[in-house]
Amino acid sequence: QQPVQSPQAVILREGEDAVINCSSSKALYSVHWYRQKHGEAPVFLMILLKGGEQKGHDKISASFNEKKQQSSLYLTASQLSYSGTYFCGTEMTGTASKLTFGTGTRLQVTL
Amino acid sequence: DADVTQTPRNRITKTGKRIMLECSQTKGHDRMYWYRQDPGLGLRLIYYSFDVKDINKGEISDGYSVSRQAQAKFSLSLESAIPNQTALYFCATSDFSRGNTGELFFGEGSRLTVL
Repeated sequence: QQPVQSPQAVILREGEDAVINCSSSKALYSVHWYRQKHGEAPVFLMILLKGGEQKGHDKISASFNEKKQQSSLYLTASQLSYSGTYFCGTEMTGTASKLTFGTGTRLQVTL
Repeated sequence: DADVTQTPRNRITKTGKRIMLECSQTKGHDRMYWYRQDPGLGLRLIYYSFDVKDINKGEISDGYSVSRQAQAKFSLSLESAIPNQTALYFCATSDFSRGNTGELFFGEGSRLTVL
């Protein structure tokens, strides 16, 4: 079952923060986050495993709330290079290594 | 050279034609996947394979078939292409062996247009 991402799109000025959410109705084992720039393939950002951990990658971090089956991606002090479409991919408990992706959040960072 | 290579990168074909998209990888990963991307719909899983003898249907396998010719090669076929199969197709690989995260490594994509 496809996870739900919100918002669908967001426009930021450079230096502003953003949060992208991903939620599932099914019990999750892990959540992946990917970024896809226009005309390119998706690129892995980070994975969060069941256990409610939070991870960081430069000024991009994410959390996973196992009880709510939700993950959030936090982009701090956004840069122009953060522009792109962000996808969460969820791996449900019992479906080892089969990722189901959300419909994506289009992020545009402007000057 | 790219670790995950897809051919062709672009293809225009007619309704009813048979089409094969090929994927090869040099990463040594056991797991390979075919995804389809349509605007507003995200990435949807067509087929996946955990090794040469293990092939599994994904969310949208109807109208598609696959072949895992070797650990490094995974092909997607459209036996009789139809216009609603016009999309961007991605091959991906992953490694879930000890110490690895299972992240997906994507090829550059194959854009297919069915007229």
